[in-house]
Amino acid sequence: GQSLEQPSEVTAVEGAIVQINCTYQTSGFYGLSWYQQHDGGAPTFLSYNALDGLEETGRFSSFLSRSDSYGYLLLQELQMKDSASYFCAGLAYNTNAGKSTFGDGTTLTVKP
Amino acid sequence: DVKVTQSSRYLVKRTGEKVFLECVQDMDHENMFWYRQDPGLGLRLIYFSYDVKMKEKGDIPEGYSVSREKKERFSLILESASTNQTSMYLCASSFPQGSTDTQYFGPGTRLTVL
Repeated sequence: GQSLEQPSEVTAVEGAIVQINCTYQTSGFYGLSWYQQHDGGAPTFLSYNALDGLEETGRFSSFLSRSDSYGYLLLQELQMKDSASYFCAGLAYNTNAGKSTFGDGTTLTVKP
Repeated sequence: DVKVTQSSRYLVKRTGEKVFLECVQDMDHENMFWYRQDPGLGLRLIYFSYDVKMKEKGDIPEGYSVSREKKERFSLILESASTNQTSMYLCASSFPQGSTDTQYFGPGTRLTVL
């Protein structure tokens, strides 16, 4: 099975940089995804790391270290609209298909 | 544009009723998923399907069943609804790719069982 741990809440101010960590324990681990969910909305995909290192997409970056079973999402130049919940999800494959297990989510509050 | 739709945004049912939640995707994706989301518990996988008529149990399948007769449609069935199944239900689909794991989610169905 899989389990993923991430902080429940993070608060930061507009314009700042914030890092949301995710540690995982999983068998058959293949990669780590990040999703954003605004209140009342559906989760939307942000990024995916299958290999060690940093993936950058605009203001958002995601990092993976397979040897440490650890990843993080880095949000730069924070904006008020970044206030949302962020989920890490570990992808694992069995004999048939891949499935992702989600962490419990981190609520990010961006203050003026 | 990618689209996943769910049959209802809000649903109220009584204990013991049979409940059908339907999900349709228009992206020709092989994989489809049903999750439930409860406050503080993230998204928990109920069932997923990797092909028509193929299904696998997720982490919390008890009390649920699924049906996938056509590629675009994945149904979640609560055979006899109970109050502890009151939750937000999210459907998602994805195309199996080794280099990424992008799941596209529907808007969710908030189910209340009285």
